[in-house]
Amino acid sequence: AQKVTQAQTEISVVEKEDVTLDCVYETRDTTYYLFWYKQPPSGELVFLIRRNSFDEQNEISGRYSWNFQKSTSSFNFTITASQVVDSAVYFCALSEAGSSYKLIFGSGTRLLVRP
Amino acid sequence: DAGITQSPRYKITETGRQVTLMCHQTWSHSYMFWYRQDLGHGLRLIYYSAAADITDKGEVPDGYVVSRSKTENFPLTLESATRSQTSVYFCASSTSSGANVLTFGAGSRLTVL
Repeated sequence: AQKVTQAQTEISVVEKEDVTLDCVYETRDTTYYLFWYKQPPSGELVFLIRRNSFDEQNEISGRYSWNFQKSTSSFNFTITASQVVDSAVYFCALSEAGSSYKLIFGSGTRLLVRP
Repeated sequence: DAGITQSPRYKITETGRQVTLMCHQTWSHSYMFWYRQDLGHGLRLIYYSAAADITDKGEVPDGYVVSRSKTENFPLTLESATRSQTSVYFCASSTSSGANVLTFGAGSRLTVL
C-alpha cells in the first residue's frame, strides 16, 4: 500500500537560512508520481512540483530544489535563503498506478521562517 | 466564475444531522476528489470520482456518501454527522486521475457540536 511519511512536524528557521523538508514514501509500484504542495496561512493548496518515477533528475526552480532518490525512497525539498513568505505547511504526496492513481498525502511539515 | 468552488465555506451543525458540502468545477475535469484535513493527519482522501456516475472509496470513507450525476458537481454528504467529522474539507479536480496536478477549492470548515 502507498504511504508518505513526513517526519518533521514543524521546522523553525531564521530568514536567509537554507532548510530541507524530508519526504519518504512507500510503494510497490514501478510507476508512480510524487508531488509537493504548499499551504500558506491563507489556507489554499498550491501545487509546487510533480515528478514521475522514471525521472530521477533533480529539479531547481529559483530558490526551490528537489532531490529525488529512488534508492532511499525519498523526495526531499530544499528552500535556499528562506524568506518569511515561505512560511507555510508543505505536503508531499504520492500517486501510484496500482491504486488507480489516487493521490495520498503525508501529514505535512509546518515551516516557520522568522525575520 | 471559472474554477472550483465549495459551499458552504463555514458550517456549524449538531451531532446526528445530515450535512451536504457542495463542490462545483467549471473546467469539465474528469476526476474529482474529496479530502479532509486534520491536525497531525495532513490531507486524507475520503472519496474520488473518475467520471460522472463513477465513484470510489479513499482512505477514510466511513460516514460519508458521494454522488456524481453531472461532471461538474461532486457533493459530499454526511448522513449523520459526528464530532469526529469536525474538519476542513477540500474538494479538488484533475484532468485525469491523481497522477496529474490537482486543483483545490478553498475548503469548507465544518464544526459538529
